[in-house]
Amino acid sequence: AQSVAQPEDQVNVAEGNPLTVKCTYSVSGNPYLFWYVQYPNRGLQFLLKYITGDNLVKGSYGFEAEFNKSQTSFHLKKPSALVSDSALYFCAVRDQAGTALIFGKGTTLSVSS
Amino acid sequence: GAVVSQHPSRVICKSGTSVKIECRSLDFQATTMFWYRQFPKQSLMLMATSNEGSKATYEQGVEKDKFLINHASLTLSTLTVTSAHPEDSSFYICSASPGLAMNEQFFGPGTRLTVL
Repeated sequence: AQSVAQPEDQVNVAEGNPLTVKCTYSVSGNPYLFWYVQYPNRGLQFLLKYITGDNLVKGSYGFEAEFNKSQTSFHLKKPSALVSDSALYFCAVRDQAGTALIFGKGTTLSVSS
Repeated sequence: GAVVSQHPSRVICKSGTSVKIECRSLDFQATTMFWYRQFPKQSLMLMATSNEGSKATYEQGVEKDKFLINHASLTLSTLTVTSAHPEDSSFYICSASPGLAMNEQFFGPGTRLTVL
């Protein structure tokens, strides 16, 4: 069965500092990995995805994520955090077409000025 | 990117009534749509997978007679919460995908249901 783990409920970082939001996954076949962001009372917005190819994936708003097959991880990163990045971040995985995304529990990112 | 809409965005109803939530893919055809439920500050829990022209597939623990799902066309799926009770109050989110595993799912803005 597919699963996603986000070990941190909350990540706190000062504006301008680099940020990392952790994600590990478990899937039987090749993973399709995604990061989404959610602002209060809003739906999810797509940030980036890993399908195949280069392990470093660049996405929206300056975010990037690194796929590590040996560690089954897909951590979200940003070199310089902004206060406006404060939100709830979800990592998700699917292994084949027609199946729903399976989400991690979410990590609240708080960026202080 | 592709757009998914949900209507209504917010609904308040009395206990015992039924509420219908619509999910539409506006600029692509979605053979499959998904319905999620989200409690405050928690993750999205998949409720059911909705396939156009066939019965929905419900996740374990989700009452199919309470949460009726209809997927009548490639751009519209509906979720009806029947005989709603206060414990059904939640944030309901739908999503749709153009179909390939590599494609991201596009999410609707969500519907906040409050049952009094």
